[in-house]
Amino acid sequence: ILNVEQSPQSLHVQEGDSTNFTCSFPSSNFYALHWYRWETAKSPEALFVMTLNGDEKKKGRISATLNTKEGYSYLYIKGSQPEDSATYLCAFKNRDDKIIFGKGTRLHILP
Amino acid sequence: EPEVTQTPSHQVTQMGQEVILRCVPISNHLYFYWYRQILGQKVEFLVSFYNNEISEKSEIFDDQFSVERPDGSNFTLKIRSTKLEDSAMYFCASTGLAANTGELFFGEGSRLTVL
Repeated sequence: ILNVEQSPQSLHVQEGDSTNFTCSFPSSNFYALHWYRWETAKSPEALFVMTLNGDEKKKGRISATLNTKEGYSYLYIKGSQPEDSATYLCAFKNRDDKIIFGKGTRLHILP
Repeated sequence: EPEVTQTPSHQVTQMGQEVILRCVPISNHLYFYWYRQILGQKVEFLVSFYNNEISEKSEIFDDQFSVERPDGSNFTLKIRSTKLEDSAMYFCASTGLAANTGELFFGEGSRLTVL
C-alpha cells in the first residue's frame, strides 16, 4: 500500500518565527515529489517539484529538501508571515504514474 | 495565466440524483484528473484520463462514476445516483507535456452536498 505521511497535522507559529514540517513517502519506485500550497477557498498551487536525491529548492522564504533513499522531504519557511497560513500538501509520484497525496500540514501564523 | 476552471462551485442535490461536474483544463494539457476531498480527510485520487480514455481509476471510482471529454475542452465527472457519502469537494487537475514530473494544476473545486 502506497502511503504518504505528513507531520505535524497542524502547526501554530508566531509571525517572524521559522518552521519546518515533514513528508514521508515510499523510498522505492520513486519518480517525483511535489509540494503544494493550498489556501482556504483557493485551489492547490504547486510550490516545488523535486526529482533528485539531495535536491534542495527555494522560492523566496520557502525551501524544500529531498531524501529519496530514506523517503522524506522537509519544507522550511523562514520568518513566517500571515500570508504563509495555508495547508501544505505533499504528493509522491512513482514510476507507474501513481500520484499519492498526504493529508497535509495546516499552518496557522499567529500575529 | 492559464488556469483550470470548474463549474459549479457548489451544488446541492438530493440523494439518488445525477450530478455532472464540469472542468475546463489548461488548453495544451494532455493529462486530466479528478480528485476529491471529504471534509477533514485527505485528498483522494478518483481517475486519470489521457488520450480520450481512462488511464487509471481508484476503488472509489465505481460504476456510479463516469468521465467524459465531449468536445476537446471540457472534462466532466458524472455521478449517476448520488449517495450521502459522495458529499465532498471535487477537484479537477491537468498536467501538460511535463507529465513525467507530473506537476498538477488544479481548479478551485466544486463542492457537492448530497442531502
